[in-house]
Amino acid sequence: DTEVTQTPKHLVMGMTNKKSLKCEQHMGHRAMYWYKQKAKKPPELMFVYSYEKLSINESVPSRFSPECPNSSLLNLHLHALQPEDSALYLCASSQIVHNQPQHFGDGTRLSIL
Amino acid sequence: RKEVEQDPGPFNVPEGATVAFNCTYSNSASQSFFWYRQDCRKEPKLLMSVYSSGNEDGRFTAQLNRASQYISLLIRDSKLSDSATYLCVVNPSLPRGGADGLTFGKGTHLIIQP
Repeated sequence: DTEVTQTPKHLVMGMTNKKSLKCEQHMGHRAMYWYKQKAKKPPELMFVYSYEKLSINESVPSRFSPECPNSSLLNLHLHALQPEDSALYLCASSQIVHNQPQHFGDGTRLSIL
Repeated sequence: RKEVEQDPGPFNVPEGATVAFNCTYSNSASQSFFWYRQDCRKEPKLLMSVYSSGNEDGRFTAQLNRASQYISLLIRDSKLSDSATYLCVVNPSLPRGGADGLTFGKGTHLIIQP
């Protein structure tokens, strides 16, 4: 069982829809992350939040909008996505300490029609 | 974002055999190193952290060579349940007051055959 919880597990949406992905952790971690993973590829970093502030944006298109309401929650708001955005979206969290690993949620599998 | 290189495989190995994976990383300033395993259509799960002194967890041994920028994973007495993709992972740095994302290798696909 993962200690990082993501909802929904699966999402199918049209290109004009607005939806949100949610992530929650109660391990007291102060860093949270969004990754995107396409089939047969490794995860690619999208955003990093440190102490609830956006610290890294890996040049992600503005149709993806992250939000960190508090230290336990991380959202990813989606709007006007493209078919190529279909992927597994992974949330992770970690302590902000040297050598600490990141713990992943089981992801949201997103399909854009 | 600097790269992590590893052999994609697949490695087809009989049950009970010993198998070794390697990877290299290009960013000499990298701070933290890990092996994750990922099963088909599942999230990556931490297998073990990797230290310069080497570390062992049951049948798994990981080693880091900072001078050569090389990381290894050894699996002894392989089990059918070891079949997965093994991801070599590097945390490039720890920016002051913040965190950084992980850089993943493309993964090595391991198939343990009965």
